Amino acid sequence: DIQMTQSPASLSASLGETVTIQCQASEDIYSGLAWYQQKPGKSPQLLIYGASSLQDGVPSRFSGSGSGTQYSLKISSMQTEDEGVYFCQQGLKYPLTFGSGTKLEIK
Amino acid sequence: EVQLVESGGGLVQPGRSLKLSCVASGFTFSNYGMNWIRQAPGKGLEWVAYISSGSSYIYYAETVKGRFTISRDNAKNTLYLQMTSLRSEDTALYYCARQNYAHVMDAWGQGASVTVSS
Repeated sequence: DIQMTQSPASLSASLGETVTIQCQASEDIYSGLAWYQQKPGKSPQLLIYGASSLQDGVPSRFSGSGSGTQYSLKISSMQTEDEGVYFCQQGLKYPLTFGSGTKLEIK
Repeated sequence: EVQLVESGGGLVQPGRSLKLSCVASGFTFSNYGMNWIRQAPGKGLEWVAYISSGSSYIYYAETVKGRFTISRDNAKNTLYLQMTSLRSEDTALYYCARQNYAHVMDAWGQGASVTVSS
């Protein structure tokens, strides 16, 4: 199975700050990487797929990058509504696997 | 508007069975592969099972293989998860999720809570 290692486990950011979350796959996943946001008590929502494609309706301050085994999610200007937990997921092979999550809070 | 609505969750004793349903609306259900994904209380996301649009391809996580069965009825726009021999570690919120061409979940239901306890 492909292991997804996400970092950091948690972080706090000030309004307007740039935030970066990392995700490392245990093998090359050829950009088959998605990012989800989950707010408390809500279902996860897709933000990014194919490592860098923005899902419809997602604000442009979110962006994804990376290749091979290393990927990152960037929030260019932290907003209060961006608080939540962020998960990465590889879509290359079954079983589909998720990172352990990054809890993002406002400082 | 795409909607996925799960039902069938509840409290069940270890070793017993439960069947979850997920009714889809707002899109052509028969065109999409579907997944079940679960989240234990306070934990991360765990993929459980996948079924292709025409039920030709089915995959399971090792943790549920042989105990859970995913199925679908395209005429009823409904996805199912039959869970047998339930264990305490199966306690979780179970989401159904639509899969897009990139093998990612682009729509999620609100979840069905399953608690396995005596």
